[in-house]
Amino acid sequence: QSALTQPASVSGSPGQSITISCSGSSSDIGYYDYVSWYQQHPGKAPKLMIYNVSKRPSGVSHRFSGSKSGNTASLTISGLQAEDEADYYCSSYTSSRTLFGGGTKVTVL
Amino acid sequence: QVQLVESGGGVVQPGRSLRLSCEASGFTFRNHGMHWVRQAPGKGLEWVAVISYDGSNQYYADSVKGRFTISRDNSKNTFFLQMNSLRTDDTAFYYCAKEGLPALDLWGRGTLVTVSS
Repeated sequence: QSALTQPASVSGSPGQSITISCSGSSSDIGYYDYVSWYQQHPGKAPKLMIYNVSKRPSGVSHRFSGSKSGNTASLTISGLQAEDEADYYCSSYTSSRTLFGGGTKVTVL
Repeated sequence: QVQLVESGGGVVQPGRSLRLSCEASGFTFRNHGMHWVRQAPGKGLEWVAVISYDGSNQYYADSVKGRFTISRDNSKNTFFLQMNSLRTDDTAFYYCAKEGLPALDLWGRGTLVTVSS
């Protein structure tokens, strides 16, 4: 059982916005601002999309945004595109461990 | 070219050992903590271990503690995962990843470890 809880799947039509939630506890997401999100296409390595809750690495589209409230973090994808169809994982970093969510499959209808 | 390249995966019998390597290039390896993350076929990501930039600190997931050892050689821009007493549930793709920002901002392509009799 994953330490962080994500919905198994989320879907949306092209151009729509979707939000993926990531629920943790006061010991991880609620305590640290080291929340990150990763995108993984089938057969590929994960790619960092969001770090420190809401920051985007260079080269990541502005359509991806992150936020946090209490023990729950969220990833929002705006203007959904076919290329966004992938698995998404949230993560919480601490000094001695990194936790991942179970992953959310995003389907573009 | 900034990249991480894993090697050492393969098929191994339960109870045996295997050593994975990850060679880094294109960045100052000795300045960064390094991680191993695994993914069983069709499953999600599972963090395995981390080693600090200078090798002085190592931390492990409970599922591998006491069986796996992470180490590094900064003179060769390489770090390792020694896996002992392997079990069938250790079967997975093993990814090495660089810590930055802080997050895992660079990943290798992965190497497959299959534990089977």
